[in-house]
Amino acid sequence: EVQLLESGGGLVQPGGSLRLSCAASGFTFNNYAMTWVRQAPGKGLEWVSAISASGASTYYADSVRGRFTIARDNSKNTVYLQMVSLRAEDTAVYYCAKDQWLLEYWGQGTLVTVSS
Amino acid sequence: QTVVTQEPSLTVSPGGTVTLTCASSTGAVTSDNYPSWFQQKPGQAPRALIYSITNKHSWTPARFSGSLLGGKTALTLSGVQPEDEADYYCLVYYGGAQLSWVFGGGTKLTVL
Repeated sequence: EVQLLESGGGLVQPGGSLRLSCAASGFTFNNYAMTWVRQAPGKGLEWVSAISASGASTYYADSVRGRFTIARDNSKNTVYLQMVSLRAEDTAVYYCAKDQWLLEYWGQGTLVTVSS
Repeated sequence: QTVVTQEPSLTVSPGGTVTLTCASSTGAVTSDNYPSWFQQKPGQAPRALIYSITNKHSWTPARFSGSLLGGKTALTLSGVQPEDEADYYCLVYYGGAQLSWVFGGGTKLTVL
C-alpha cells in the first residue's frame, strides 16, 4: 500500500523558514519523481514544485522560485521542501504526491501558517 | 503568467450527465499538455481520476471519462451519483525553458 506522510508544518513568522518532509512507503521510491502541491484555506490547488527520480532535475512555480528548494534523499525514501523568506500568502496545506505526471497518490497534507 | 480556467460551479441532477472543461490562456490544450483531473471532497486530500487526457486509474469509476473538446480538455460524468458532489481540478503541463504544471481554479459540482 502506497503511503505518503507529510510533516514539518506549523506556525512561522513572515520572513521565517520551514522545512517540510514527506516520507514515502509502499513503492520503489527512487523510481519516481515527486511533487509538492499546496492549498490555501478555502482556495484551490496550486502546483508548487517537482523533483525527478534521481533528484537531478527540479521544477518550481514562479510564485516560489528562488525561495523554496525541493530535494530528496532516496536512502530515506523522503522528499523535502525547504521554504525560506515565507510570506502570508504561503499559508496553506502542503501535500506531497507520487510522480510528476500522474500524481496518483497523495498524502494528507501538513498545514503551514505564516503569521506574526 | 499562465492561467488555466474552469467553470467555477456546475449543478447536475442525479443520473444526469455533465461536462467540466479546462482552458489554457496560452491556446488550445493538446496531448502535449498531458492534462489530468482530480476530485476533492471536503476535508480530504485530492484523488486522481484521469491522466493524459483519457486514461483512468484503476479506482476511477467507469462513469468518468476524459477528452479534448474544442481546444479544451474535458471531464464528463455520465449517470452522476450523489457521491460525485465535490470539487474537480484539472492540471496542465507546460514545457519549454522552465517546465511547470498549472492547476485550474476548480469546479464545484453540486448534485441536486
